[in-house]
Amino acid sequence: QSVLTQPPSVSGAPGQRVTISCTGSSSNIGAGYDVHWYQQLPGTAPKLLMYGNSNRPSGVPDRISGSKSGTSASLAITGLQAEDEADYYCQSYDSSLSGVVFGGGTKLTVL
Amino acid sequence: EVQLVESGGGLVQPGGSLRLSCAPSGFTVSSNYMSWVRQAPGKGLEWVSLIYSGGSTYYADSVKGRFTISRDNSKNTLYLQMKSLRAEDTAVYYCARSRGLIAAAYFDYWGQGMLVTVSS
Repeated sequence: QSVLTQPPSVSGAPGQRVTISCTGSSSNIGAGYDVHWYQQLPGTAPKLLMYGNSNRPSGVPDRISGSKSGTSASLAITGLQAEDEADYYCQSYDSSLSGVVFGGGTKLTVL
Repeated sequence: EVQLVESGGGLVQPGGSLRLSCAPSGFTVSSNYMSWVRQAPGKGLEWVSLIYSGGSTYYADSVKGRFTISRDNSKNTLYLQMKSLRAEDTAVYYCARSRGLIAAAYFDYWGQGMLVTVSS
């Protein structure tokens, strides 16, 4: 059971918009700790997709955006492409555990 | 170009020990924060440990007292010494460069990962 809760799967057709939620609690996201997002293509290492809630690293397209409100965060992908099919993970810090925590991951399927 | 090359993974018996290594190119371990993250087969990511450039170390509760993160600045190499290994430690282990203090940490560069299998 992950401290940060993500939907196991989401899907969308090419060109559509999808969002992936990441729900935490008062000891992590709700306490004001930043949320970061990673994309993991099959058989590869994770790649940083978003840091500090809504900041994109160089090379990440602006059709990908992040937001945070209260005890939750979201990753939005617009103009869905086949190459977006991957697993996505949110990550933050939990003060009760005194450590870095990840969500359980969400598999994005492009129909 | 930044690269992190890991080595040392493999098969080990329960209760055994193993040392993982991570040698980055493009930056030095001595001036960066570094972490280990693992992923059990078919499962999600789990943070394992972090070391600050100043030497302070942090561990997940699941490995505290059994794993030790360290570095050799002269070899520009990060290590994870794992002892008293259990079946549940079986995972692909990634080293990653960490940005920010632990409460704001995120991981911007990752190694390719190496499989550690704990089994008799």
